[in-house]
Amino acid sequence: QQQVKQSPQSLIVQKGGISIINCAYENTAFDYFPWYQQFPGKGPALLIAIRPDVSEKKEGRFTISFNKSAKQFSLHIMDSQPGDSATYFCAASRGYTGNQFYFGTGTSLTVIP
Amino acid sequence: EAGVTQFPSHSVIEKGQTVTLRCDPISGHDNLYWYRRVMGKEIKFLLHFVKESKQDESGMPNNRFLAERTGGTYSTLKVQPAELEDSGVYFCASSHLTGDETQYFGPGTRLLVL
Repeated sequence: QQQVKQSPQSLIVQKGGISIINCAYENTAFDYFPWYQQFPGKGPALLIAIRPDVSEKKEGRFTISFNKSAKQFSLHIMDSQPGDSATYFCAASRGYTGNQFYFGTGTSLTVIP
Repeated sequence: EAGVTQFPSHSVIEKGQTVTLRCDPISGHDNLYWYRRVMGKEIKFLLHFVKESKQDESGMPNNRFLAERTGGTYSTLKVQPAELEDSGVYFCASSHLTGDETQYFGPGTRLLVL
């Protein structure tokens, strides 16, 4: 069964708005949670990642919020720009290098100028 | 530093034919992974190499799929014979053996089986 559930499937946001993508997981052994960004014709690229010892991580306009007790994490894109239009995937793994990633189904984000 | 490269970028074959996908990881990355995304679904793990050894092949769908990584450098994924449900985007990723958990993905091979 799917280990990581992601919503929404698609999202349309006005330029300057906030984009929010949510993910939930079941396996409490997961301890590394990356977000990947994929542009058409390209492979997924790491955007930002978090470990469960912190509840929030911010890099520029991108923030991950993490709720360990609820087993949920989300990506917030502040001041969304048309260049942010892409597919976003959340993922989870057991954290040390070499373990497989379990991905969500992806969210197609469109930022309207 | 060159990224992960994959060849071909697209492949259209008929059911029953054979296709071989190639992945060249980032130089120095001992971990190599294959993933697949069927349209609209999640990116799903297929297998993981450490150097030339298969570390985890729990995600391989069936014995029609054969992955190799001779010499611990590039890897190939062969599908023989291909079925309609094998259509999707096949991604290769690589990472360091220790330290950085980041998996670096290639652009993928889009496979369509008719």
